[in-house]
Amino acid sequence: SQKIEQNSEALNIQEGKTATLTCNYTNYSPAYLQWYRQDPGRGPVFLLLIRENEKEKRKERLKVTFDTTLKQSLFHITASQPADSATYLCALVDVGRRALTFGSGTRLQVQP
Amino acid sequence: DSGVTQTPKHLITATGQRVTLRCSPRSGDLSVYWYQQSLDQGLQFLIQYYNGEERAKGNILERFSAQQFPDLHSELNLSSLELGDSALYFCASSVGLGGSELTDTQYFGPGTRLTVL
Repeated sequence: SQKIEQNSEALNIQEGKTATLTCNYTNYSPAYLQWYRQDPGRGPVFLLLIRENEKEKRKERLKVTFDTTLKQSLFHITASQPADSATYLCALVDVGRRALTFGSGTRLQVQP
Repeated sequence: DSGVTQTPKHLITATGQRVTLRCSPRSGDLSVYWYQQSLDQGLQFLIQYYNGEERAKGNILERFSAQQFPDLHSELNLSSLELGDSALYFCASSVGLGGSELTDTQYFGPGTRLTVL
């Protein structure tokens, strides 16, 4: 069956360090993958999209990698700040499907 | 502010009742998506409409139905409510109908928190 797996355990890091979150998927052939940020009680907010033929994408302090062989995407936040504390969701659409499927998210806590 | 509006913000009702959640997409967006997020659970895709027509269906219960009107706003109807239906319900919109990276970024509303007692 199709699965998108993100670390369900919260990730705690110190301010200034790099946070790395993982998204693994099985039985998908994604055309692209997206990352969203969700704060408690609020709707997710789009951050980045990476295509299947792209290895890496950057936006300010964010970096996303996409390895279709490993079926994995890594999401990095460099020089992390307490304001980066949130849940981060990966989402992908299968080539043959029409709707995004979201992972369950990983909660990031950045300690000052 | 994403530009997507949802009403009401909170809804408290009893088991067996029926409620309607409303969503207005961003100006220019033709697709509307509905998601359910239970406590500590991920986003569960329910249904998508594109320009008034049902486009994709997820794990939507038969007790739930939705529609998109000519002015593109959408309503999600939940009937015969059960305790387990208590959740945050999000609406999202996008320009495209799905399958295109250029038009598929979803913009989420603030959600409706439904509590079934």
